[in-house]
Amino acid sequence: GESVGLHLPTLSVQEGDNSIINCAYSNSASDYFIWYKQESGKGPQFIIDIRSNMDKRQGQRVTVLLNKTVKHLSLQIAATQPGDSAVYFCAENSGNTGGFKTIFGAGTRLFVKA
Amino acid sequence: EPEVTQTPSHQVTQMGQEVILRCVPISNHLYFYWYRQILGQKVEFLVSFYNNEISEKSEIFDDQFSVERPDGSNFTLKIRSTKLEDSAMYFCASTIAAGVDPYFGPGTRLTVT
Repeated sequence: GESVGLHLPTLSVQEGDNSIINCAYSNSASDYFIWYKQESGKGPQFIIDIRSNMDKRQGQRVTVLLNKTVKHLSLQIAATQPGDSAVYFCAENSGNTGGFKTIFGAGTRLFVKA
Repeated sequence: EPEVTQTPSHQVTQMGQEVILRCVPISNHLYFYWYRQILGQKVEFLVSFYNNEISEKSEIFDDQFSVERPDGSNFTLKIRSTKLEDSAMYFCASTIAAGVDPYFGPGTRLTVT
């Protein structure tokens, strides 16, 4: 889930298990959503995106689900690995042809136990 | 794979000093962005830049901040008189088109003392 402030929600999973990270967004007009992974000391790294005309999209080991009715987004990581340990942000894009801005959620810290 | 680069990786400055953070976006990209992340917090949008002008800015981006694309490759963020609360990671990003995911640079850590 989302929270604001210095204390990120955390998720701890065993290596090999599946992880599910949840996110609520606020702007019902947003039509493009992205999940980012951020490792310590690095910039956000794109994982997967989804547009509002879809409710599910799959990538390699990752799946994003979008529920527009309740404005909820989730990221599923299959067979979680130690290298998946990071902070995960959901983000919504809004804007116009002059430029879009990406609005980030507060993030969830994923710990993978070996 | 093309990437966004940023210099310096770490900048330490005294309160009240001017700083310029530099970015080289991906060469064929047309939209440029600055974001910041205060330690332990979420990434916050500062400004978007397209066609040599600011297209959108957040309330954080007050008149102490400015951006410039001085040539065909660099994109800079200037903070005129730094404050302690400007200490953060500053990320540059670029996209080839509007409405697609931005490529982020590795960030510049700004420490204001």
